[in-house]
Amino acid sequence: GAVVSQHPSRVICKSGTSVKIECRSLDFQATTMFWYRQFPKQSLMLMATSNEGSKATYEQGVEKDKFLINHASLTLSTLTVTSAHPEDSSFYICSATTGTDGYTFGSGTRLTVV
Amino acid sequence: AQSVTQLGSHVSVSEGALVLLRCNYSSSVPPYLFWYVQYPNQGLQLLLKYTSAATLVKGINGFEAEFKKSETSFHLTKPSAHMSDAAEYFCAVSAFGNEKLTFGTGTRLTIIP
Repeated sequence: GAVVSQHPSRVICKSGTSVKIECRSLDFQATTMFWYRQFPKQSLMLMATSNEGSKATYEQGVEKDKFLINHASLTLSTLTVTSAHPEDSSFYICSATTGTDGYTFGSGTRLTVV
Repeated sequence: AQSVTQLGSHVSVSEGALVLLRCNYSSSVPPYLFWYVQYPNQGLQLLLKYTSAATLVKGINGFEAEFKKSETSFHLTKPSAHMSDAAEYFCAVSAFGNEKLTFGTGTRLTIIP
């Protein structure tokens, strides 16, 4: 079945630094990738939708200059949290779709900003 | 616009008992409906999905769900709970099956030995 690899699984960074999270579709080409954020014991909140080769579409209230999304190829999307602060600490999950076969989720990244 | 409501943030059942997790949806177009399971610090695993074919959908691990348009519901059931079913369960909806997913608030399932 379709597999999405997300790295790193855990990352701790200092306040003010930037962190990059990668999401790769291993055995299929993902036309669209989604990035979600999940606070402890809460649901997934969509941050942005990205299509290969075009700019990401951000949900209302999500700072696009802070959460940089790049979808340069059909198998790779990255989320960069710039100038991270403790309030950015969260669980980030990516999801990929071919448009016809449903959604496949990465295993998530636990970001802790200290 | 699409939305889902999961009734009951926490559900506890005894091992071997029936599992029933409730989900009601709202959609301006025929919905695609999904149930996902999440274990701690992991991503989401698809249990089953409704894509306008059969109204009774069978998924993995013995779970199934029935799409009831008249009740705008898509409740998840399993006849006999197993300890390994303890997890967080999310109902989700999308338009056309490839648009963004909108998730419910989740239901934490606890299995009592």
